[in-house]
Order: sequence, then structure tokens, then C-alpha cells
Amino acid sequence: EAEVAQSPRYKITEKSQAVAFWCDPISGHATLYWYRQILGQGPELLVQFQDESVVDDSQLPKDRFSAERLKGVDSTLKIQPAELGDSAMYLCASSPGQGFMNTEAFFGQGTRLTVV
Amino acid sequence: QQQVKQSPQSLIVQKGGIPIINCAYENTAFDYFPWYQQFPGKGPALLIAIRPDVSEKKEGRFTISFNKSAKQFSLHIMDSQPGDSATYFCAASTLRTGANNLFFGTGTRLTVIP
Repeated sequence: EAEVAQSPRYKITEKSQAVAFWCDPISGHATLYWYRQILGQGPELLVQFQDESVVDDSQLPKDRFSAERLKGVDSTLKIQPAELGDSAMYLCASSPGQGFMNTEAFFGQGTRLTVV
Repeated sequence: QQQVKQSPQSLIVQKGGIPIINCAYENTAFDYFPWYQQFPGKGPALLIAIRPDVSEKKEGRFTISFNKSAKQFSLHIMDSQPGDSATYFCAASTLRTGANNLFFGTGTRLTVIP
């Protein structure tokens, strides 16, 4: 069964260090999302890509976060410098495209980030 | 600002009971309402979804009830089982625009006691 792959599963980093997460969506899925899920809360969108283009990054803290999907396939989310408040689960999701029949977003298992 | 409000925060039922989780929204542009199930250490997985042109949708033991005028929707789990113990999230989205981001509720931790 096709799934969204994320790595690493767990990451511990010191405050002010740089950290990067990788996501490989389901093959053929044009839309890719990065969500942040703080413990005990629902996921919140950080950035949405349609192919290689950013559709929505209004909630991405651009002073420290960056995301790219250069060839419209896999994606990288970077934080530099990391802050204590960035500790959370970072979830990647993908969907085939727009429209009701293609709206199901499939989530990866996430990267659990702990900033110390 | 929470776009989708979810309650209760946690729920404990006996096996065979019918837990009900409620969600409310304000943005009338929302036209897609999915429910996600999340087990510890896993990403959310789509359980069932509804469009606002119907008032109810059933898939197996899971039912969504939708009240467009009240801007509320709920998840009912019939004949609940211990394996249903998980965190459930409601969400809402607008399909008409390109940025069809999912706005999630805060989650309900369900425990089904054997």
C-alpha cells in the first residue's frame, strides 16, 4: 500500500541549531502539505504545495522556517534556528489534487521534534 | 482563532456504547467535513467525510450527522470496540479554492473499556 514517507521519525536538537525534515509523498500526488501538531492539539497547516509551487504559506514563520519542493515530488522543511517552542510533531500529507473526489489527504507518520 | 471547535476533549465509554463527538464551525465557505482517527505515534488517517448537501453519512459503524443551519456536525461510533480507542479529529475545508487546507479541531481522546 502506498504511503507518505517521512524522515527522521524522531529528532532531538539544541536550541539555535538547524534542523531539516524530509517528506516523500505518494507517487503521483500533486498536492503536498506540511502540518505542525503540538501535543494535545490538532494539526495546523504550515505550507501547501501544488506541484512545485507554494499555494499557501501564510502560517509559516518565514524568519526561521523554509520549505521547498524543487521538482514537485519530495519536499524538505527546515528550521533555522530552532527554538524551544518548535517542539512538536511535524506531519507531511499529500493528496492527488483538487476537487472533492481527490481531496483525501494521506498523512505520514510524522517527525517528532524535541528542542532542548 | 480556532476555526473548528470540538468537544468533548476526552470520552470514556464501555464496549458496545455509542460515543458522540461534536464539532462546530463559523466559516460558511467550508464545504468539506472529514473526520480523522489518530493512534499514538501515527499520523491521522481519514475515517469518513461529508459534504454539506447531505445531513447524514454512514460508513460501517461510523456515522456523520450534519446540521448546516446550526453549522454543526458530529461523529457517532456504533457498537464501539476497544480497538476504536484513539484520538479523533474533525476538520473542515473549502474545496472551491486552490488552497483547500484542512482546519482541524482540537481532538477528542476516546477510550473504549472492554
